Amino acid sequence: AQTVTQSQPEMSVQEAETVTLSCTYDTSESNYYLFWYKQPPSRQMILVIRQEAYKQQNATENRFSVNFQKAAKSFSLKISDSQLGDTAMYFCAFQGAQKLVFGQGTRLTINP
Amino acid sequence: NAGVMQNPRHLVRRRGQEARLRCSPMKGHSHVYWYRQLPEEGLKFMVYLQKENIIDESGMPKERFSAEFPKEGPSILRIQQVVRGDSAAYFCASSPRGSGIYNEQFFGPGTRLTVL
Repeated sequence: AQTVTQSQPEMSVQEAETVTLSCTYDTSESNYYLFWYKQPPSRQMILVIRQEAYKQQNATENRFSVNFQKAAKSFSLKISDSQLGDTAMYFCAFQGAQKLVFGQGTRLTINP
Repeated sequence: NAGVMQNPRHLVRRRGQEARLRCSPMKGHSHVYWYRQLPEEGLKFMVYLQKENIIDESGMPKERFSAEFPKEGPSILRIQQVVRGDSAAYFCASSPRGSGIYNEQFFGPGTRLTVL
């Protein structure tokens, strides 16, 4: 069974700073996908970024980028130039054939 | 193209009552997934359905919970004889295709169930 672990329950940074959220996972599958989702107070699940395991190049989406270390089963999210609107819960997720497996989440607060 | 729709957004039930949660997938999507989010936790998979078929229900509690996705109409998650521990946010996601092929799952806004 797959497991996803986020070891940082809460993080807080100042606006415009860079912050990195950690995620590790465990799987025996060779082909899979990894995601970071943002959940603001509205509770809507918003896809931030995704990474295909067979791609060595790290995914980037504007201010969001990942550091994917397949051998170490690590998948961290870096947010550059953080903004107040980035305040939310962030969930790391793994997808093999079907279902998504989520980590416990990191509550990120961006302070003005 | 409307996104995934869930209703009601908020549902209050007393212990012992039944809760029915509805999910209308995005147009053209025939695969539906239900997830539950307990307070201060991540989402946990419950069940994966295609039209008229349950594909994977490994995350469903053995009793009181059932799900269906009929040929016509929304997918329904049904909880019988609710207890306080069922209080959670229930999310539905849909995708155009299913197992063996990656397809992004698009999430609905969730239904927050409160059991008094």
